[in-house]
Amino acid sequence: AQSVTQPDIHITVSEGASLELRCNYSYGATPYLFWYVQSPGQGLQLLLKYFSGDTLVQGIKGFEAEFKRSQSSFNLRKPSVHWSDAAEYFCAVGVAGGTSYGKLTFGQGTILTVHP
Amino acid sequence: DGGITQSPKYLFRKEGQNVTLSCEQNLNHDAMYWYRQDPGQGLRLIYYSQIVNDFQKGDIAEGYSVSREKKESFPLTVTSAQKNPTAFYLCASSDPYRDRTEAFFGQGTRLTVV
Repeated sequence: AQSVTQPDIHITVSEGASLELRCNYSYGATPYLFWYVQSPGQGLQLLLKYFSGDTLVQGIKGFEAEFKRSQSSFNLRKPSVHWSDAAEYFCAVGVAGGTSYGKLTFGQGTILTVHP
Repeated sequence: DGGITQSPKYLFRKEGQNVTLSCEQNLNHDAMYWYRQDPGQGLRLIYYSQIVNDFQKGDIAEGYSVSREKKESFPLTVTSAQKNPTAFYLCASSDPYRDRTEAFFGQGTRLTVV
């Protein structure tokens, strides 16, 4: 069975600083990987996704993530954080199959706090 | 606008009662899902359905039931057998026939047992 680990429960950064949120997965084959963001009391919004091909993927709101097969990682990055980026971020993995895009295993989430 | 509508946004239940959470989508997706979210635990899959009149248990199905009588609707019933039902519940849908797509989520229902 697949699993996802987000080692950092809570990260605090200053506005304008760079950001990296870590995600490690466990899965025997090439996974489908996703990063979602959640504001308090809201649903999840997709930031970016990886299926195959170019290992550096671009997403919305200036986010990017890099798939590293050798490290089983899919870390999320942003060069300059804005106060509106404060939220909880989830990494998720799906497996091949008809429900692969929605039958997901999620990490525990990382809460991002942004200081002015 | 296409999307997923969950209702109600907040729901209070007395112990021993069954409650049903509504999830409706107008995205024409065949697959639908229910997730439960608890603080610090991420999201866990309760049930999913790939097509009308068919559904499968996810990782934490005990104490829950679902139905899929219509393509656009996938209601979740939290039964009295669910020992700790207080949580945030999220419904999602996806198109299994479209390549390289993703799941779309509703805004969630917060259930509190009083």
